[in-house]
Order: sequence, then C-alpha cells, then structure tokens
Amino acid sequence: QKEVEQNSGPLSVPEGAIASLNCTYSDRGSQSFFWYRQYSGKSPELIMSIYSNGDKEDGRFTAQLNKASQYVSLLIRDSQPSDSATYLCAVWGGSQGNLIFGKGTKLSVKP
Amino acid sequence: NAGVMQNPRHLVRRRGQEARLRCSPMKGHSHVYWYRQLPEEGLKFMVYLQKENIIDESGMPKERFSAEFPKEGPSILRIQQVVRGDSAAYFCASSEAGSSYEQYFGPGTRLTVT
Repeated sequence: QKEVEQNSGPLSVPEGAIASLNCTYSDRGSQSFFWYRQYSGKSPELIMSIYSNGDKEDGRFTAQLNKASQYVSLLIRDSQPSDSATYLCAVWGGSQGNLIFGKGTKLSVKP
Repeated sequence: NAGVMQNPRHLVRRRGQEARLRCSPMKGHSHVYWYRQLPEEGLKFMVYLQKENIIDESGMPKERFSAEFPKEGPSILRIQQVVRGDSAAYFCASSEAGSSYEQYFGPGTRLTVT
C-alpha cells in the first residue's frame, strides 16, 4: 500500500519565522511531488511542484526533494498569519498511478 | 473565470435519494479527477476520467457510485441511494495532461445526507 506520511501538527511558529513542513513517502518509484495549501472549509490550492532532487524556490516557498531518503519538505520563509492553513503533501507514484495525499500538517502562524 | 467549476456547492439529500455532482474542468484541460474528503481525513482518490473514457476507477466504491465525462458537457459523479456515510466534501480536479501533472481543484461540493 503506497503511503504518504505527514506530521499532523499543529505546527505553531511566530510571525516572520521559517515554517518547515515535512513529508515521507513509501513508494521509491515516485516521480512527481506536490504541496497544496487548504484553508478550513476550502479546496486545496496548489502552491509547489517538484520533480527532481534538490531545491525549488518560488517566492517565500522552497520545496526540497531527496529521493534517496524518500523525503520532501516545504519551507515557508517570513511566515505570515495568512499562511495559517493545512498543508497537504501529494505524491504521484508513476505508471498510471494516482496522486496519493498525506493527511496534512496544520500550520498556525502567531502574530 | 477559467478555473475548475463545480456545482452545486452544497447539496442536501435524504437517505435513499440520488446525488448528482457536476464538474467543468479548467479551460484547456482534458483530464478530470474526483476526490472525497471526510472530516479530519485526507483526500482520497476516487476516479480519473478523460472525455468518454474512465481511465482509473480504483478508488470508487463498487456499488452506488458512478462517474462519467461525456463528449459534451461536464463530468458527473453520481451517487445512488445515498447513506449517511456518504456525507463528505467531494472535490473535482483537472490537469492539462495525465495524472503526473499538476492538478487544480474546484471549490468542491459539500454533500449532507439526512
């Protein structure tokens, strides 16, 4: 059974700090990795995608992928209260597989 | 608005009735996915469709649930004879190409079965 694991949190950080969100996955053949943000009562919003080992930066967000360790992370710099949401890690396993989502990490940014 | 559209946004059905959920993909997208999210649980894949084709329905319950994406019109997720356990948020997503590509979600349909 392919699995994606995330710490459910809540993760609480002060405004302006770096928030670090982590995700591990079980399928070593996984090829595509995504981070979604979901506000309470809303739909998931795609914020980052990463396909190869290393870092990918987009504004205040940096996604990091380490396929050898089966680990993907999301860093949010200069965290804002508006970043408070649940962050979902999603992994595509390849060969007609489908996106598998973790249960999400709830982030709370305190003013 | 070029985003994924879903309707209705909220749907209340009595046990035993049918629920019909609609999804129009983002402009230029031909791949549609349906997910279900129960309270305090993660998103669960249900079905992946292209126009007139079901590509993968491995996440669909074997009974009472069906999905289609006709040549013309929106994708439909149909739940027959609803039960209380069907109460959930149902999200549709679309992508430009296959399931390895970025998927964009619609606002969802909140189904409540009374």
